[in-house]
Amino acid sequence: GAGVSQSPSNKVTEKGKDVELRCDPISGHTALYWYRQSLGQGLEFLIYFQGNSAPDKSGLPSDRFSAERTGGSVSTLTIQRTQQEDSAVYLCASSLRGTGPYEQYFGPGTRLTVT
Amino acid sequence: GQQLNQSPQSMFIQEGEDVSMNCTSSSIFNTWLWYKQDPGEGPVLLIALYKAGELTSNGRLTAQFGITRKDSFLNISASIPSDVGIYFCAGIQGAQKLVFGQGTRLTINP
Repeated sequence: GAGVSQSPSNKVTEKGKDVELRCDPISGHTALYWYRQSLGQGLEFLIYFQGNSAPDKSGLPSDRFSAERTGGSVSTLTIQRTQQEDSAVYLCASSLRGTGPYEQYFGPGTRLTVT
Repeated sequence: GQQLNQSPQSMFIQEGEDVSMNCTSSSIFNTWLWYKQDPGEGPVLLIALYKAGELTSNGRLTAQFGITRKDSFLNISASIPSDVGIYFCAGIQGAQKLVFGQGTRLTINP
């Protein structure tokens, strides 16, 4: 079946502009995660959605970052007033449930470059 | 944010050699995971470890969950060209958000 998909695959934007990154999780997966990967680094947790529960936003680096998940499926990560330090690969993952040792399946990521 | 300490950062080996990498943390983790990431792709899960002391194999890969729950290692035996990539350890403490190591970049000389 289809895996996690993300769009766009690449995004170049000017400093100060807003960007929206989209994630389509695997059908039926109730848990969805956003991570950020800076060049040569491991992944950094940003936000976690589980069903209808309030999201865990503890990893968002500033109030310029926000995310929503509509209808329990597609998620959008929004970065307002982008800064050069926001340049990174943004990865989305989904899992069957958010509790228990359920494997997280990752999408290919969106490479964001802020000029 | 919190990260696991993963070493080595990079490895240059000959095809056929064995590989060993490890992760340590000052915090206890309930689950340890090892991922491989190819260029332009998201990480793919290789091995998951759920119990302290657990030793698990997946083909040529073997991983262990340290008895203190603060460390893990991954071994790859008889490396082949398709093993090239970046390997990440990751830990889960409570909820399902993963904490990642910095990665080990593996390069194989034919």
